[in-house]
Amino acid sequence: QVQLVESGGSVVQPARSLRLSCAASGFTLGNYAMYWVRQAPGKGLEWVAGISFDGTTKYYADSVKGRLTISRDNSKNTLYLQVNSLRAEDTAIYYCARDGNWNYYPMFWYFDLWGRGTLVTVSS
Amino acid sequence: QSALTQPASVSGSPGQSISIACTGTSSDAGGYNSVSWYQQHPGKAPKLMIYEVSHRPSGVSDRFSGSKSVNTASLTISGLQADDEADYYCSSYTRSSTLVFGGGTKLTVL
Repeated sequence: QVQLVESGGSVVQPARSLRLSCAASGFTLGNYAMYWVRQAPGKGLEWVAGISFDGTTKYYADSVKGRLTISRDNSKNTLYLQVNSLRAEDTAIYYCARDGNWNYYPMFWYFDLWGRGTLVTVSS
Repeated sequence: QSALTQPASVSGSPGQSISIACTGTSSDAGGYNSVSWYQQHPGKAPKLMIYEVSHRPSGVSDRFSGSKSVNTASLTISGLQADDEADYYCSSYTRSSTLVFGGGTKLTVL
């Protein structure tokens, strides 16, 4: 079954760090660029990061640059998001999403497969 | 990067057609054909409905269509059905090599 499954979300204190994971199954993660999108409670979607199929190129929203790091391990079919110096405004469901291009490059910047998300709550 | 502009809400009766506008600038929606639309039901992950302005993924009903004029993209849903009631988001690639979403539109089927 083709799917993405996120994990790693939890309740975390401000200023702490967290690493989220996204496990791909049913397809070869290494063929696709990947992204993270988050959604604060009751709010809209916010794109936060993207990474090329081979991990050599990374893109970040200005709002998170310097605190979030996207990475991938294609041998493990897994995407990651490291979130440092957590703030209350980082509280959100974090979704991983797959690029619409199945053939490595270029990135098409639309998301044809989404995971169910993992909830990060930043609270003391 | 500012969000794309969408109406907060739209509504229509079953069988009717509605359109949702998504307005950007020449640095995003107006400058690229990388405009997409997503449907999100409460508590669910978003679902791709339209990509590259007007293309429908396999499995998406042909009642959904997309278009663009200058800086404004539009999603049109014809023959409204109860299950179309959801939040809809547009997105666009930007000149800064980032992606921006619209604020979202809540569709109510009366």
